[in-house]
Order: sequence, then structure tokens, then C-alpha cells
Amino acid sequence: LAKTTQPISMDSYEGQEVNITCSHNNIATNDYITWYQQFPSQGPRFIIQGYKTKVTNEVASLFIPADRKSSTLSLPRVSLSDTAVYYCLVALTGGFKTIFGAGTRLFVKA
Amino acid sequence: KAGVTQTPRYLIKTRGQQVTLSCSPISGHRSVSWYQQTPGQGLQFLFEYFSETQRNKGNFPGRFSGRQFSNSRSEMNVSTLELGDSALYLCASSLANRLEDIQYFGAGTRLSVL
Repeated sequence: LAKTTQPISMDSYEGQEVNITCSHNNIATNDYITWYQQFPSQGPRFIIQGYKTKVTNEVASLFIPADRKSSTLSLPRVSLSDTAVYYCLVALTGGFKTIFGAGTRLFVKA
Repeated sequence: KAGVTQTPRYLIKTRGQQVTLSCSPISGHRSVSWYQQTPGQGLQFLFEYFSETQRNKGNFPGRFSGRQFSNSRSEMNVSTLELGDSALYLCASSLANRLEDIQYFGAGTRLSVL
């Protein structure tokens, strides 16, 4: 089963760029990599999804190396409101089961 | 477009009772997944329904069950509640059940078992 590993927590300051890396060594050929953001007592919210190389949207970028065994979520110029837990999700091929890792708790300081 | 709606938002039950949680997916979405979130275990997949059929099931005991109706609305039921069932139960809907389909989550139902 594809398992994801992320740092448990990270600290940053407002205005800085934050990079959160997720390791997924057993990712299968057809698996996508999706990142979610979760605030306390709310459901996770979709941030970005990718399969390979680089994907960018209005809130983040996702970098995926050629071997796809890891991925990096990049948040440009974070603000206090970006304080949340970030999950890297790899969908399993064939069963459509989804396994969330433990997530990374990002704390943005003023 | 309305998001995923979960009801009720909060529930308090006692051990041994049963509970039914409801999820209304985003209009047009046909896949609904359920997750349990606890501080100790994080987000754990319960099951997924697509077109009224359970397509996948996580590693939970048979006390946890669910169903999906023809309008894609879904319910999950937990029988013989245990203290350890206290958790935030999240429902997520997606267009279909393809690997690349993005899941949209509801705000969850907070279940407390006393």
C-alpha cells in the first residue's frame, strides 16, 4: 500500500515561502498526488493535485520529481490564515481507497 | 452551488446505542466517501459508495455500515457504540470514483460517546 510520510510540524513567518515535502515511495503508476488543507473542526479543503512535473494554481504549486516518490507543496508568501494542517494524499490504484497521512501542522507567526 | 452538507453537526450518545449520520453531496456528484478523524489515528477511510454500491471499505468493524440512495445522498450507521467511536465523521463527495476525482468534504459530524 502506498504510504505517505510528511514532517509532523513546521513553523514559518508571514510573507515567507513554505515548502512541505511528502514522501510516497510505493506510489503506483496511475496514482495522483493531492494536497488538502484542514482547519480545526472543519473538513479538509482541496488545494492542488498533480501527476508529474509541476502544477501551479492561484494558491500553491506542486513539484513532483521524475521518479514520483515524493512531492513538494509550495505556499508562496504565507499569512496567519494559512496556519492549518496540510495533508498529502495518494490515491491507490485499482481500489480507489484513499489513505491520508498524519499531515503537517503549519504554524505561521507574525 | 451548495457544498457537501452533513447532519447533524453534533451528537451525544451513550455506549451501546446506535447512530445514523447523513451526508448530502454536491449536486451532480455520484461518489460519497466517509472518514473517521480522531486525534490519535488521524483521518481514516471508512467506505466509499458510487451509484448506490459500496465500492471500497476501510479496516473498520462491521458495526460501521453505510448506504447510498438513488439521489446520491448517503448515510452511515454505527451500531453498539463504544467510547472509542467518539470522533469527527467526515463525508466527501466527488463527481465519480476515478483516481483523479477531487474529493470535497463537508464540515463533519462530531460524535461524542459517553
